[in-house]
Amino acid sequence: SQQGEEDPQALSIQEGENATMNCSYKTSINNLQWYRQNSGRGLVHLILIRSNEREKHSGRLRVTLDTSKKSSSLLITASRAADTASYFCATDARGSRLTFGEGTQLTVNP
Amino acid sequence: SQTIHQWPATLVQPVGSPLSLECTVEGTSNPNLYWYRQAAGRGLQLLFYSVGIGQISSEVPQNLSASRPQDRQFILSSKKLLLSDSGFYLCAWSKMGVSNQPQHFGDGTRLSIL
Repeated sequence: SQQGEEDPQALSIQEGENATMNCSYKTSINNLQWYRQNSGRGLVHLILIRSNEREKHSGRLRVTLDTSKKSSSLLITASRAADTASYFCATDARGSRLTFGEGTQLTVNP
Repeated sequence: SQTIHQWPATLVQPVGSPLSLECTVEGTSNPNLYWYRQAAGRGLQLLFYSVGIGQISSEVPQNLSASRPQDRQFILSSKKLLLSDSGFYLCAWSKMGVSNQPQHFGDGTRLSIL
């Protein structure tokens, strides 16, 4: 089964609202990464959080990591229509080989 | 800066035909290289992983093969395509020998088998 599992599978919000996506994983990790994928395109790396970090920010993105619960969350604040995309978490339980979750499809309505 | 090129962007092939997808990376040396497949609305499945020229690890049994004839070139092939080979194929690279590194993706090839 997948190492990372995102929740919810789909999320629809209005522009200006915050979007929160969650990721759970099963085994020990060195880091957890979040990626974004626009429809029909490749994945773009958003943020990497190491296992000894609890929170990380990048612009409107905030990522938290709870290794005791084996979970992470991605918060996008003040969402925009351009944030519409699929978001994936990925874990490095196998070193350089990442294991991706199934993704959350975010739709931001203008 | 580093760039990754993947082509073609779309491909329609008949069942039983051969396949060759190419991926090249520029601006870095000795990258780790990856081939993934993504089914519609799903996550990424790692197909092949390479740490150097001629060094290929296969992650799942399948109808596909990969080769790395040059340091920054990664090729995905098949001798005879199956209907189940349809999907979105993504190539990616990461820095070798450095932990906690992101992967960088090409724009993918949408493969349809008829």
